[in-house]
Amino acid sequence: DAGVIQSPRHEVTEMGQEVTLRCKPISGHNSLFWYRQTMMRGLELLIYFNNNVPIDDSGMPEDRFSAKMPNASFSTLKIQPSEPRDSAVYFCASSFGTGQGSQPQHFGDGTRLSIL
Amino acid sequence: AQTVTQSQPEMSVQEAETVTLSCTYDTSENNYYLFWYKQPPSRQMILVIRQEAYKQQNATENRFSVNFQKAAKSFSLKISDSQLGDTAMYFCAFMKTLLQGGKLIFGQGTELSVKP
Repeated sequence: DAGVIQSPRHEVTEMGQEVTLRCKPISGHNSLFWYRQTMMRGLELLIYFNNNVPIDDSGMPEDRFSAKMPNASFSTLKIQPSEPRDSAVYFCASSFGTGQGSQPQHFGDGTRLSIL
Repeated sequence: AQTVTQSQPEMSVQEAETVTLSCTYDTSENNYYLFWYKQPPSRQMILVIRQEAYKQQNATENRFSVNFQKAAKSFSLKISDSQLGDTAMYFCAFMKTLLQGGKLIFGQGTELSVKP
């Protein structure tokens, strides 16, 4: 079975450029999560969607970050304009859950983003 | 707010021996989930084991088992018969039910080295 697919795997770009990270969740999963991993802050949630609707975006650092989920099989995380402090590994994860029950989150391989 | 604490930044163990990684958490919720994820140098996030708070029985997955102490808010991971492939960063994570938010809150991680 295909897992969570993220692209690109690596991205190197210059400060000020727009960056778009992509994620395809596991088919049938109804929740999608974007996490960021840095040495200083560890793993932290940026935003998550349930049934394509953003539920909690309190982790989004600032207005430069935006995320969309136009359909159940695709999501994007965009940074515009990018800054060196945005350099990190960005993970997408998906899971299936309803009400009180929830299955574990399955992670993609991550995108390593370097802003020069 | 929920917090997860892993007090051991680094640990090492000899191949074939047993090692226990510690994790404590803080929450006022009664129903929640706990996880251990493994992140090898390839940076994948791999689910190791899962525990539902309402279950008294400790979860086991082959060589991996947990000691879940709900009253003490403790969730340690025991790895038996350690193998070289177990070398990785291990993250303890807490999750409320989807109805209550559904996002993972991670500890800072424990870097485990298995020595031949």
